[in-house]
Amino acid sequence: GAGVSQSPSNKVTEKGKDVELRCDPISGHTALYWYRQSLGQGLEFLIYFQGNSAPDKSGLPSDRFSAERTGGSVSTLTIQRTQQEDSAVYLCASSALAGGYTGELFFGEGSRLTVL
Amino acid sequence: SQKIEQNSEALNIQEGKTATLTCNYTNYSPAYLQWYRQDPGRGPVFLLLIRENEKEKRKERLKVTFDTTLKQSLFHITASQPADSATYLCALTYNFNKFYFGSGTKLNVKP
Repeated sequence: GAGVSQSPSNKVTEKGKDVELRCDPISGHTALYWYRQSLGQGLEFLIYFQGNSAPDKSGLPSDRFSAERTGGSVSTLTIQRTQQEDSAVYLCASSALAGGYTGELFFGEGSRLTVL
Repeated sequence: SQKIEQNSEALNIQEGKTATLTCNYTNYSPAYLQWYRQDPGRGPVFLLLIRENEKEKRKERLKVTFDTTLKQSLFHITASQPADSATYLCALTYNFNKFYFGSGTKLNVKP
């Protein structure tokens, strides 16, 4: 597709279950970001992938959170043993580091996670 | 870490007026500052980038200023329209590796 695709768009899970959120970035974009947005809050940085470099995981809130990016394209964010405070919208963005770069992040529509 | 402040109260203005939104930050000035628009249930959409050595940037009805002395950016929408109603987020970055976002200001433009 033309834009960043995220799935599922909505996920309701029970406390203690594991969830996987998927992001399919724009083709050719080497940079991929995960952010979390809680109700009425700003975007909280989680993790950043750039090409084949080691990811910047400095924003992951606990070791229950992990992410991988396979083949420099699709990324999966995994949350283990979910807690109610994990409820939020998880946004993925991609970006192309090219000449005349404006730093424009292209966001997906997000995955809304609700932990009961 | 960088703290970014945007007015959490909604800004209500009349159609045709100029809307002015504020973004303040606390730490050393970033190399780049961006503004995004976010509609309910959607991801943010990029609007403008301004560099630290630029005082002002314009795009159609939008104008952004960047004052590194005040540690502040102002975002203006002239001749505002009801379709401009949305939440506007500012974001800072030093090297495009990590972007720090404010919580956004909701703009309501009334016809």
